[in-house]
Amino acid sequence: DAKTTQPPSMDCAEGRAANLPCNHSTISGNEYVYWYRQIHSQGPQYIIHGLKNNETNEMASLIITEDRKSSTLILPHATLRDTAVYYCIVRGQGAQKLVFGQGTRLTINP
Amino acid sequence: ETGVTQTPRHLVMGMTNKKSLKCEQHLGHNAMYWYKQSAKKPLELMFVYNFKEQTENNSVPSRFSPECPNSSHLFLHLHTLQPEDSALYLCASSQATSGGSYGYTFGSGTRLTVV
Repeated sequence: DAKTTQPPSMDCAEGRAANLPCNHSTISGNEYVYWYRQIHSQGPQYIIHGLKNNETNEMASLIITEDRKSSTLILPHATLRDTAVYYCIVRGQGAQKLVFGQGTRLTINP
Repeated sequence: ETGVTQTPRHLVMGMTNKKSLKCEQHLGHNAMYWYKQSAKKPLELMFVYNFKEQTENNSVPSRFSPECPNSSHLFLHLHTLQPEDSALYLCASSQATSGGSYGYTFGSGTRLTVV
């Protein structure tokens, strides 16, 4: 699976949009981009995933560049409860394992 | 009860003790996983079970012994652990069939302290 690069930490004001970037320049055509988050001392929680089209659900939006070499997770109106470590993971179709990197520690400030 | 349930939430054990961690899922999944998360380190995949059969062991020391009696239950038996084994142990489940995406559901974890 392709490697991802994320900033180690970010801050965002409560109520503003949080935009978390992820680089995956070696991604191949059948690899999906997944986002999970881990609130302190809990298990990771699935947020969203996509292949090449932008995706939106009740939690977030995922914007994937046309060349698929990077993506951005958008939390449209961040709250204090969104403070967590966010993981961007690239995984091939049919690949079962989920391999985590260091992620981005997002802190939402009041 | 829904989701993935792990017990106990916290465990303190001596290096000569034997204990077990339990994981149960009510999602109808047929794959289960153990992960280890040490302080300030990424999650490390330890074991993978598909349809009750172990399909992956990522060079985990034998003092960790997994057991999967059925697709809904997963155990991690612990014996003669070392202090560096102190960590958050996470269980997850998913569908094992290929094609499309595998959504993982994680439990809340067991915080293990070895003294």
